[in-house]
Amino acid sequence: DVKVTQSSRYLVKRTGEKVFLECVQDMDHENMFWYRQDPGLGLRLIYFSYDVKMKEKGDIPEGYSVSREKKERFSLILESASTNQTSMYLCASEWRENHEQYFGPGTRLTVT
Amino acid sequence: DQQVKQNSPSLSVQEGRISILNCDYTNSMFDYFLWYKKYPAEGPTFLISISSIKDKNEDGRFTVFLNKSAKHLSLHIVPSQPGDSAVYFCAAKKGGSYIPTFGRGTSLIVHP
Repeated sequence: DVKVTQSSRYLVKRTGEKVFLECVQDMDHENMFWYRQDPGLGLRLIYFSYDVKMKEKGDIPEGYSVSREKKERFSLILESASTNQTSMYLCASEWRENHEQYFGPGTRLTVT
Repeated sequence: DQQVKQNSPSLSVQEGRISILNCDYTNSMFDYFLWYKKYPAEGPTFLISISSIKDKNEDGRFTVFLNKSAKHLSLHIVPSQPGDSAVYFCAAKKGGSYIPTFGRGTSLIVHP
């Protein structure tokens, strides 16, 4: 079974803090994604990566950056957290030849 | 501008009856469609998919229908069970693209 894990299920940070969200997948998938999910807005893509050290902006990259130094690990960084970044963050991975994404359990981030 | 629309935010169905979840899209370049299911506090899980060369795909109680001329797809669940209560996301992909476009989701409640 494919497993995608995220470093924290729940996180509370203060405005202005730097926040790291980590995602690890164990199936050698090339593609990895970071989404945020907000009520009524569905899943919105923040960034994705199709290979080590490669990254592309998604629909809402402002205020975020990412890092992919190893194939299995994709990190999302909030350089200076703001209250409007309070959300559920979901990581996903997929084989390049397949269309199905495998999601982690999500990190509920609250910025106060 | 939403390219994938799920116009019903919620749907309530009696156990044993059919659930029909609808999804409309505007981009004729989409050629692969997926449905994901999401329980609260969990990541989405892949449910079923369909390629644009087909008009129907079945997997047990779940059937997806694609009407390319109407740019419409639907997910049928027969018979519905209380455990099917979840948020269902429709997603679409363009050939050669890594990135799916998600709808905003439909919350299905199946009453015992």
